Amino acid sequence: QVQLQQSGAELVKPGSSVRISCKASGYTFTSYDMHWIKQQPGNGLEWIGWIYPGNGHAKYNQKFSEKATLTADKSSSTAYMQLSSLTSEDSAVYFCARDYSGSNWFTYWGQGTLVTVSS
Amino acid sequence: DIQMTQSPASLSASLGETVTIECRTSEDIHNALAWYQQKPGRSPQLLIYNANSFHTGVPSRFSGSGSGTQYSLKINSLQSEDVASYFCQQYYDYPLTFGSGTKLEI
Repeated sequence: QVQLQQSGAELVKPGSSVRISCKASGYTFTSYDMHWIKQQPGNGLEWIGWIYPGNGHAKYNQKFSEKATLTADKSSSTAYMQLSSLTSEDSAVYFCARDYSGSNWFTYWGQGTLVTVSS
Repeated sequence: DIQMTQSPASLSASLGETVTIECRTSEDIHNALAWYQQKPGRSPQLLIYNANSFHTGVPSRFSGSGSGTQYSLKINSLQSEDVASYFCQQYYDYPLTFGSGTKLEI
């Protein structure tokens, strides 16, 4: 069965960077886009972008183009998202999610990673 | 960006009742709409895609409808396990965007 296992919660300082991981199993990692989605406490959902692990091509929401960097390691079936120049506005739960064959709706979700930015 | 207006923001209903959640988009998205259920402390789960197609395993009391810029999610015969937040999402154009959510209480 498809599983997306995300890394644990992070407490990071303002101005620093953080990298979150999402390890995929149960399907061919290189054949499906992996999306990343932000959810702030009590708020809705924001789409950050996707990466196609097969060739490393990524597409970003322009709002996050200078904040997030998406990468993927085919050897370990793991997708990564790095967030840079962190501020309190970046404190949120971040989800990875796989779509259905390029459909852009999200069939499988990771459990979420809480990032807290605080000095 | 395509703006998503979801209503109501919160909803209280009784067991066995029928409720409807609306999602209006700022432009025609040609049925490229999904609905998700998110229970407290959990990740969202897909319910409906293509505005009215059931995801595998979703109970038949959930249904989606609509076209153009107006879409809705209907939940018949409310059960206690339906307590959750519900979100719509358009995938017609980038950036993908979500509604602000509806919190359903029983």
